[in-house]
Amino acid sequence: AQKVTQAQTEISVVEKEDVTLDCVYETRDTTYYLFWYKQPPSGELVFLIRRNSFDEQNEISGRYSWNFQKSTSSFNFTITASQVVDSAVYFCALTTDSWGKLQFGAGTQVVVTP
Amino acid sequence: EPEVTQTPSHQVTQMGQEVILRCVPISNHLYFYWYRQILGQKVEFLVSFYNNEISEKSEIFDDQFSVERPDGSNFTLKIRSTKLEDSAMYFCASSLDFTGELFFGEGSRLTVL
Repeated sequence: AQKVTQAQTEISVVEKEDVTLDCVYETRDTTYYLFWYKQPPSGELVFLIRRNSFDEQNEISGRYSWNFQKSTSSFNFTITASQVVDSAVYFCALTTDSWGKLQFGAGTQVVVTP
Repeated sequence: EPEVTQTPSHQVTQMGQEVILRCVPISNHLYFYWYRQILGQKVEFLVSFYNNEISEKSEIFDDQFSVERPDGSNFTLKIRSTKLEDSAMYFCASSLDFTGELFFGEGSRLTVL
């Protein structure tokens, strides 16, 4: 069975602070893909990153960075120098080779105040 | 930038009525999906569709649900006889391959009274 756990329900920060979102996953498959999606207040789901299970390199994209650690089954996401526009719900998701069937975590609400 | 479009953005219906939610996926994408999100809850997979047939479906996707790609551009989700618990945001998505990034539409909010 697959599972994605985002233990943090809500994180509130003041602008310019860094924020790290935790994601822990469970799967028995050796090949899998991990994702982060952003859901701003407007409601759509915006793709942020995809990682496959064979690539443990960390990735940085602007103020966003991701730390993938297979040893702890975690795929954490950090927003550096947060901005008000980062306020959204962030979802971590997992799929194996099951036809794009993403297993989403419960999401973490990030609130950035000026 | 190409995008997935969904109509209607919001539909209110009476319990027991049929509803059709429409989606236009990105034109060169081959895989199509429906997900739903009950208010305040996680996003749940409903069904994936490839080569004009269902590839996989979840336990939620029972006989009351059906999908169709009637004309090569639209992708529809039909709920035959809506129940109160079908009230949710329904997201359509498409992808170029089955492990690729899914591009989601803005969602169709369904309210069943």
